[in-house]
Amino acid sequence: EAEVAQSPRYKITEKSQAVAFWCDPISGHATLYWYRQILGQGPELLVQFQDESVVDDSQLPKDRFSAERLKGVDSTLKIQPAELGDSAMYLCASSEPTGRGYTFGSGTRLTVV
Amino acid sequence: KQEVTQIPAALSVPEGENLVLNCSFTDSAIYNLQWFRQDPGKGLTSLLLIQSSQREQTSGRLNASLDKSSGRSTLYIAASQPGDSATYLCAETSNTGNQFYFGTGTSLTVIP
Repeated sequence: EAEVAQSPRYKITEKSQAVAFWCDPISGHATLYWYRQILGQGPELLVQFQDESVVDDSQLPKDRFSAERLKGVDSTLKIQPAELGDSAMYLCASSEPTGRGYTFGSGTRLTVV
Repeated sequence: KQEVTQIPAALSVPEGENLVLNCSFTDSAIYNLQWFRQDPGKGLTSLLLIQSSQREQTSGRLNASLDKSSGRSTLYIAASQPGDSATYLCAETSNTGNQFYFGTGTSLTVIP
């Protein structure tokens, strides 16, 4: 069964350092999503890509967060500098443009110390 | 902004009991409603998807219903088992996009 791959699974970083997460969507899925899930809350969308273009980044804290999907396949989410409040699970998902086949990855658990 | 609420936040039941998890939403233009399971520290596993034209979906011991007029969905779990212990999240998408709006989840513990 096709999966959305994310790495690393866990990341511990010090405050003010840079950190990056990687996501490889299901082959053929043109739409890719990054969600953030703070402990005890539901996931919230940070950014949505259609191929290599950003279609929604209204919830992305652009002063410190950036996301790219240069070739319209895999994607990287970066935080620089990391803050204590960024500690969360970062989930990647992908789907067909219609939303069909929406699948979540296993996530990257970030702890900022 | 669409709001999704789940009650209760936590639930503990003895093994074998039937239980109902509740989800309410404010979006009148809901496109579909989906229930997910999340084990501690893990990603999301889709359980049931109900499209806006449907009233319910069933999979094994799980049954999910959708009432658009009242803005509510329920997830019914029959004959609960310790392996059902997890957090259950409901999420809706509107007909304007593919973004999921999630509730805060119900943490279920099934006691052997």
